[in-house]
Parts: sequence; structure tokens; C-alpha cells
Amino acid sequence: QLQLQESGSGLVKPSQTLSLTCAVSGDSMNGGGYTWNWIRQPPGKDLEWIGQIYQSGSTYYNPSLTRRVTISIDKSKNQFSLELTSVTTADTAVYYCTRGVTTWGQGILVTVTS
Amino acid sequence: EIVLTQSPGTLSVSPGERVTLSCRASQSLSRTYLAWYQQKPGQAPRLLMYGGSTRATGIPDRFSGSGSGTDFTLTISRLEPEDFALYYCQQYSPSPPWTFGQGTKVEV
Repeated sequence: QLQLQESGSGLVKPSQTLSLTCAVSGDSMNGGGYTWNWIRQPPGKDLEWIGQIYQSGSTYYNPSLTRRVTISIDKSKNQFSLELTSVTTADTAVYYCTRGVTTWGQGILVTVTS
Repeated sequence: EIVLTQSPGTLSVSPGERVTLSCRASQSLSRTYLAWYQQKPGQAPRLLMYGGSTRATGIPDRFSGSGSGTDFTLTISRLEPEDFALYYCQQYSPSPPWTFGQGTKVEV
């Protein structure tokens, strides 16, 4: 059964870089043509798609975040990662990783605070 | 970017009632790329429907999806107590960005 698990720092200082990893278990990232996505949800607010990566390494980002976002994939470790630079308190959110629309991680709360 | 607008913002209903949630897109969207989620406090969104009208694994048949073009609907035929939650629509077009509606809260 496919499972996704987010990990990374839950506390980040303003202006620093947020880094998260999504570990994929139960299936290989090498095939299938799936999109691997990052989505976030600020406390009490709506869902926001951050971006996606294909197994080929092709990426697509939300235009509102594209200058600060990098998504990468490490198929040898069966994981993909998110980096968000120059964070502010507005980046405080629960961050989810997904495979397509069907499978979501449980989410990880990242708080930006000094 | 395709903007999704959900209505109503909040729906006050009773168990056993039929519920219809609306999701309107700012431009025509293939039903193939429309999903519905249910979210409860402190939990990740749970996929209900994808492809506009296909129930995800384990979703009871009281949930159904329909629509085309710019207007899509999620219907719950008989509301159960566990169905009180927040519902989101999402479009996942092959041409990103993906977007979500702002949600409809179904409450007692």
C-alpha cells in the first residue's frame, strides 16, 4: 500500500529556507508517470498547491511561489523534497506531499517564527 | 489560472437530508480533471471523487459527482453524522497550476 510521509524542520526563522522531504513507501517512484506534489494549508485557511515534479525531473510551480520554490526528486531514495526560500510568517502552514490526487501524506506543520 | 468558486460557503443541514455542493470554474474544465475532498479538523483531506464522477476507493455510494464545462456538483444523498465536514473541489489539469475552491462547510 502506497504511503507518503513528510519530514523536516517544524520551526523555521523568517528569511531562512524551509526544507521538507516526502518519503514514499509501498511503490517505486521510477514508473507510472505520476505527479509528485506539495500542497499547503495555513491554519484555518484553504489549500494551496505549491508545485509538482515528475519522475523525469520536470517541475511546475505555483506562479505565486515560483521565485522561492524548488522541488527535487531522488529516485534512489524513493523520496522528493521541497525547498522554500526567504520564508515569512505567511508561510506558516501544514505542508502535504501527494502522489497525484489519490494519495496524501498526513501533513507536517511548519511554523515560521523568530 | 483556473479559479474555482464553491457555494454555499456554509450549509446547515440535518442528518438524513440530501446535500448538493457546487463548484464553478472560471473557464471550461474537463470533468476528467475535477476532484472532491472531505476534510475534518486536524486531518489531511480525504479524496472522495476524481474524474468528476468516480468514487475513490472505500467511498460510500451516497456520494456522487456530476457536471461539465464550468459547473460541477457533489451530492450526498442522505447525510450521515460522519459527513459533517469541510468539502473542497480541486482541478488538476495537465496544464498547471492546480487550484482548489475555498471550501464548503457542512454543519448541523
